[in-house]
Amino acid sequence: IVLTQSPATLSLSPGERATLSCRASQSLSSYLAWYQQKPGQAPRLLISDASYRATGIPARFSGSGSGTDFTLTISSLEPEDFAVYYCQQRSNWPLTFGGGTKVEIK
Amino acid sequence: EVQLVEWGGGLVQPGRSLRLSCAASGFIFDNYAMHWVRQAPGKGLEWVSGITWNSGALGYADSVKGRFTISRDNAKSSLYLQMNSLRPEDTAFYYCAKGDYGGGENFFDSWGQGTLVTVSS
Repeated sequence: IVLTQSPATLSLSPGERATLSCRASQSLSSYLAWYQQKPGQAPRLLISDASYRATGIPARFSGSGSGTDFTLTISSLEPEDFAVYYCQQRSNWPLTFGGGTKVEIK
Repeated sequence: EVQLVEWGGGLVQPGRSLRLSCAASGFIFDNYAMHWVRQAPGKGLEWVSGITWNSGALGYADSVKGRFTISRDNAKSSLYLQMNSLRPEDTAFYYCAKGDYGGGENFFDSWGQGTLVTVSS
């Protein structure tokens, strides 16, 4: 299953809303997660099963979608949110990731 | 607190072998599937291999199938990756990742800090 993320780069200012997209080559039902990765760090799980925030994740992060189209929304960007975001499917093996979206400071 | 600590990376020549290890603590290791995920420098994430809680099912990316072998020792709360016939394109940080349940179709709810494998002559 191929996951295509868009855009590749998102240039925004703190306080703005970020909308990231992930499209699957076949239906995933809701078997999609989102991760955040900062430079020099391991990824961190943000959202599982398309819309469930992981433990300790702030409410400004939300996920939506099902089937083949999914969205991660950050309602108001904080300075610590500038990072790379990946989607990942667990519908079947091989597990796959999208290519990532970099959210950078404008 | 979940902790995953990888070791065993390093510089190795093409065609040679390397074994990665991951020590887990802070959770009941036997209850969860475990995985290896890699990331070439400056690139995205790639799932490499996964193993269910009881080693009943093993999965591999096509890029490593037939060369890499995943295993686990529940008595030692440890995960392993035997990497044979290494290629330059295997150069990456290798992360040990905990699955969110015992079966293999997982999300990864905890990650180690990674160990760097460099394949070069």
